[in-house]
Amino acid sequence: GENVEQHPSTLSVQEGDSAVIKCTYSDSASNYFPWYKQELGKRPQLIIDIRSNVGEKKDQRIAVTLNKTAKHFSLHITETQPEDSAVYFCAATAGGSYIPTFGRGTSLIVHP
Amino acid sequence: DAGVIQSPRHEVTEMGQEVTLRCKPISGHDYLFWYRQTMMRGLELLIYFNNNVPIDDSGMPEDRFSAKMPNASFSTLKIQPSEPRDSAVYFCASRDLSYGYTFGSGTRLTVV
Repeated sequence: GENVEQHPSTLSVQEGDSAVIKCTYSDSASNYFPWYKQELGKRPQLIIDIRSNVGEKKDQRIAVTLNKTAKHFSLHITETQPEDSAVYFCAATAGGSYIPTFGRGTSLIVHP
Repeated sequence: DAGVIQSPRHEVTEMGQEVTLRCKPISGHDYLFWYRQTMMRGLELLIYFNNNVPIDDSGMPEDRFSAKMPNASFSTLKIQPSEPRDSAVYFCASRDLSYGYTFGSGTRLTVV
């Protein structure tokens, strides 16, 4: 089955800095890669996703890149703000399975 | 749409008691998932349904756990008897054909 590794487990940055979270996956058939943000005590919420026919996708301050050859994808947050502090989960979904495999999460802390 | 609705939000019970968690998926979503989240193990998929039929329950930890989906708008996760190590946040999620995945607000279960 699919295996998703996520790094780092904790990331601490100063407000205004950029933050990068990286994930690798094992199943070359995976074709959908969502990212979820979970604020303390709340549900995970989808913030951005990318499909395997696209290399990069942006939405304001967040962007996701995908390297299918290397089987890794990354979340980039620019101009971080304290409200970006949360746990971020990556996931990979193999075509046909519809079931995402989640990474272990990255706790992002943005210091004002 | 009110999203995925879970109840109760919090449950405190004594060891040995039966616990029932409830979930109402988004109308029209054909997949429903039950997850357990702990600090130690992250997000674990317990079981999922497709069109009300259980497809994969390999993540259910023990026979003490059972799940049902009697119709397209309701699912339950039951633990009988409950144990302190079952303490966790239990999320229900539903999914549409475009892979869109929506989590409920979760049930925080504490077994004392």
